[in-house]
Amino acid sequence: DAGVIQSPRHEVTEMGQEVTLRCKPISGHDYLFWYRQTMMRGLELLIYFNNNVPIDDSGMPEDRFSAKMPNASFSTLKIQPSEPRDSAVYFCASSTMRSGGGPNNEQFFGPGTRLTVL
Amino acid sequence: SQKIEQNSEALNIQEGKTATLTCNYTNYSPAYLQWYRQDPGRGPVFLLLIRENEKEKRKERLKVTFDTTLKQSLFHITASQPADSATYLCALPTSGSARQLTFGSGTQLTVLP
Repeated sequence: DAGVIQSPRHEVTEMGQEVTLRCKPISGHDYLFWYRQTMMRGLELLIYFNNNVPIDDSGMPEDRFSAKMPNASFSTLKIQPSEPRDSAVYFCASSTMRSGGGPNNEQFFGPGTRLTVL
Repeated sequence: SQKIEQNSEALNIQEGKTATLTCNYTNYSPAYLQWYRQDPGRGPVFLLLIRENEKEKRKERLKVTFDTTLKQSLFHITASQPADSATYLCALPTSGSARQLTFGSGTQLTVLP
């Protein structure tokens, strides 16, 4: 398996522009998580899905952020409009509770998208 | 609210020595605790999980302890190598959630040759 795939790896945009980050979870995983990592705040959970349904979005900083998971193999995180304080590394992770899929409850992370908002 | 603290932001040790990293938590009684490794420019990678009824777990040169009385986990790397240099994160299941994890801020370990 190729692991969790994220695109783009780097994104530089100007304040006010719309940004869309993409994630393909590991095939067969039924949980998908979006995180944001900064030096100041560390790794923070933004939202997570189970079987394509958003379960907890309490970590989404404000209405400018939205996430979707139209099917089991694709999710997006959108920021509109973007602001300089959104600059961070955004990670997508997936996991599963299905039999044999993860007795350690570990999460598998993608390589991240480094977002810079000027 | 649930709080996780990892010891010093950076730890430098000499190659061959044992590195010991600390993870303390408050206001919570987790069923398990995980440790992840993160290299620059990459996502965290799972290393070990230890459950509340386990005192110690080992994997090759790694050893993790879990003291639920002290609310502390220790992560040891024996016979450390420069390749062990990375940031190590502890993670606990988020209170009230079966699948969410709350991560510590991490400890950056540098093993000097």
